[in-house]
Amino acid sequence: DVKVTQSSRYLVKRTGEKVFLECVQDMDHENMFWYRQDPGLGLRLIYFSYDVKMKEKGDIPEGYSVSREKKERFSLILESASTNQTSMYLCASSSWPGNQPQHFGDGTRLSIL
Amino acid sequence: TQLLEQSPQFLSIQEGENLTVYCNSSSVFSSLQWYRQEPGEGPVLLVTVVTGGEVKKLKRLTFQFGDARKDSSLHITAAQPGDTGLYLCAGRGANNLFFGTGTRLTVIP
Repeated sequence: DVKVTQSSRYLVKRTGEKVFLECVQDMDHENMFWYRQDPGLGLRLIYFSYDVKMKEKGDIPEGYSVSREKKERFSLILESASTNQTSMYLCASSSWPGNQPQHFGDGTRLSIL
Repeated sequence: TQLLEQSPQFLSIQEGENLTVYCNSSSVFSSLQWYRQEPGEGPVLLVTVVTGGEVKKLKRLTFQFGDARKDSSLHITAAQPGDTGLYLCAGRGANNLFFGTGTRLTVIP
């Protein structure tokens, strides 16, 4: 079975901090995705990547950046955390092409104080 | 962005009851996926429907794709407490998936 592992289940940071969320998948998937999940808004795509060192903006990229230095690892970076970035963050991976079924991690619940 | 609206947003029923949740869009999708997300976990794929009018069954769950491939429904027969969770539909776009807003189902024993 595909395993997508997110480094933290819960994280508390302060406004203005630089925050790193890490995600690793073990199935050699080409595609990786970062979403945030908020009540009533569903899953919103922040960034995705089809290959190493490649990234594409999703629907809500403002305030975020990503890094994919290795195929199995996709990092989400909050450059200067703000309270409106408090949310559940979900990482997913899939085989090519990008519209294939996605395998999700268990999420990181991030609180920005 | 292609929007997928799900209804109802919340649903609380007694064990043994039947229910239907809906996923609607003004856009046409080449296929549609349904996921279930249990508390504290990420979404897990339940089924993919591809052809307009297609019906797929997964034990007590019946999934239907609309004829025009703009909408889908999920019907659960004799709901069990283990069906509790957030149900998400996702439409297949050119390069990624578009997720619906979700239906949070609670089945009371």
